[in-house]
Amino acid sequence: DVKVTQSSRYLVKRTGEKVFLECVQDMDHENMFWYRQDPGLGLRLIYFSYDVKMKEKGDIPEGYSVSREKKERFSLILESASTNQTSMYLCASSSRTWGEAFFGQGTRLTVV
Amino acid sequence: DQQVKQNSPSLSVQEGRISILNCDYTNSMFDYFLWYKKYPAEGPTFLISISSIKDKNEDGRFTVFLNKSAKHLSLHIVPSQPGDSAVYFCAASARNYGGSQGNLIFGKGTKLSVKP
Repeated sequence: DVKVTQSSRYLVKRTGEKVFLECVQDMDHENMFWYRQDPGLGLRLIYFSYDVKMKEKGDIPEGYSVSREKKERFSLILESASTNQTSMYLCASSSRTWGEAFFGQGTRLTVV
Repeated sequence: DQQVKQNSPSLSVQEGRISILNCDYTNSMFDYFLWYKKYPAEGPTFLISISSIKDKNEDGRFTVFLNKSAKHLSLHIVPSQPGDSAVYFCAASARNYGGSQGNLIFGKGTKLSVKP
């Protein structure tokens, strides 16, 4: 059974904290993605990676960075958390050649 | 500017009837389209997809239709069941210059409510 696992379901952090969201996939996928979902805005792409150590900015990269040191792991970093980064964060992975993206269960992050 | 649009934020349907969810896109380079279903506090789950070389794909109660000339796709659910109540996202992707599948661009979603 294919799996994308996000390290936390729920997180509460303080403004200004550095926050790490971890994502691991077991499907040997080349592509990995970080999205955030907000009411009325759908899923917006933050960053994606098509290979180890490779990354590209999505639609809303400001305030975020990513790290992909190993093929199976893709980390999202909030350098200095702010209240407008309170959101549901979703990690996904997909094959380079074809097919759907598989999503993790999501991390509900609240910044207070 | 939105490349993938779902213009109906919500849809309410009676159990047993047909649900039709619509999606429009603007980028003619998109060649692969997907529908995802999402329950609250869970990640989206893949439902059905269609490539641009087809105009219809069917999987059980779910059928996706693609009209390339109109840049429009729709998801039909027949018959609708209360368990289908969820947010449905349309997504599209294009191949990059290397021939690899690019990232998925999502619409804003349509909340489907199926009433018993």
